[in-house]
Amino acid sequence: EIVMTQSPATLSVSPGERATLSCRASQSVSSKLAWYQQKPGQAPRLLIYGASTRATGIPARFSGSGSGTEFTLTISSLQSEDFALYYCQQYNNWPPLTFGGGTKVEIK
Amino acid sequence: EVRLVESGGGLVKPGGSLRLSCAGSGFTFNSYTMNWVRQAPGKGLQWVSSISSGSSYKYYAESLKGRFTISRDNAEKSLYLQMDSLRVEDTAVYFCATEFVDTVATPHQVFDSWGQGTLVTVSS
Repeated sequence: EIVMTQSPATLSVSPGERATLSCRASQSVSSKLAWYQQKPGQAPRLLIYGASTRATGIPARFSGSGSGTEFTLTISSLQSEDFALYYCQQYNNWPPLTFGGGTKVEIK
Repeated sequence: EVRLVESGGGLVKPGGSLRLSCAGSGFTFNSYTMNWVRQAPGKGLQWVSSISSGSSYKYYAESLKGRFTISRDNAEKSLYLQMDSLRVEDTAVYFCATEFVDTVATPHQVFDSWGQGTLVTVSS
């Protein structure tokens, strides 16, 4: 099973600032890495797939990068609606499909 | 508009059973792999199970094999999860979700559209 590790667990950022979230895989997942955003009481929303391709309707301030075992989600200028939980998920080697533990982006 | 509506959650005693349902609309249900993902209270996301569009392939999280059974009825545009021998640690919100198919019709085993979830509580 591929273990996904996200860091930091919590990221405190001021509105308008850049946020950088990390995701590490226990073995290579090539570029088969997705990012999701989840707000309290809601289902997750797909942001990024293929490590760097934004899903439909996702603003350009969200960008993904990386391949192999190291990945980054960058939010270039945080808006109020971006404060949420973020999860990464690998789909290169499954089953099982595996998620990271999440990063909470909170207002500083 | 894609819509997924889960139902069937509730309170059940350890060792009991529940059958979850997910009704799909607004998309060609029989063309998509469908999935269950769960989230324990205050915890992260855990993939539970996936079923191919024609039910030929079924996959489960290792810890759930033998207790959970995924199925679908394409005529009814519905996805199911039969959960037996439930344990306290199965307490979670259970989401159904479609796979994602990109603009060149390549499927990606990530989760695109999601339902609102149904809460399963296993407690004595």
